[in-house]
Amino acid sequence: KAGVTQTPRYLIKTRGQQVTLSCSPISGHRSVSWYQQTPGQGLQFLFEYFSETQRNKGNFPGRFSGRQFSNSRSEMNVSTLELGDSALYLCASSLDPAGAQDTQYFGPGTRLTVL
Amino acid sequence: DQQVKQNSPSLSVQEGRISILNCDYTNSMFDYFLWYKKYPAEGPTFLISISSIKDKNEDGRFTVFLNKSAKHLSLHIVPSQPGDSAVYFCAVTPAGKLIFGQGTELSVKP
Repeated sequence: KAGVTQTPRYLIKTRGQQVTLSCSPISGHRSVSWYQQTPGQGLQFLFEYFSETQRNKGNFPGRFSGRQFSNSRSEMNVSTLELGDSALYLCASSLDPAGAQDTQYFGPGTRLTVL
Repeated sequence: DQQVKQNSPSLSVQEGRISILNCDYTNSMFDYFLWYKKYPAEGPTFLISISSIKDKNEDGRFTVFLNKSAKHLSLHIVPSQPGDSAVYFCAVTPAGKLIFGQGTELSVKP
């Protein structure tokens, strides 16, 4: 069974631009969560989607948004990029909603650099 | 406001010896705890978990201990192997999300 895939793996953008990252969960998984990893803040929860609905959102500004499609694939969008948005963005999928003690499986991440 | 803390950013251990990674949490309502391992350029991978109804869970070389009164959990790796060198994160799962500690980088020397 294929794992969680994320595209692109690396991305370089400039301040003010917007970016869209994509995540394909493990086949059959309906929950997709997004996390941001930075050296200073560690791994922080962005949001979770289940059955095309956002179930949970972390403490991030409205510039960060996401969506989930009927095939469970998810995208996250960051508008008006800032230097501090440079991070590794990780996607995780699980069968059931996160928090139901179902293991989340992570993709390799997208490394975003904002210049 | 760090709800999950890993106070040791790094740990170095000799191959064959025991590695002990520690994690403290603040909320006594947390009832499920996990450890993830992360290699560079890869996403975290699930290692082992424990429910608050237990105080120990074992899986091969990995054992997690939970001390609810102290709000403390630890991961023991015995014996440690060079391939165990990675960053280890403890995490809790309240309200539909994973909250991670800052991670401890384990280095196992041959």
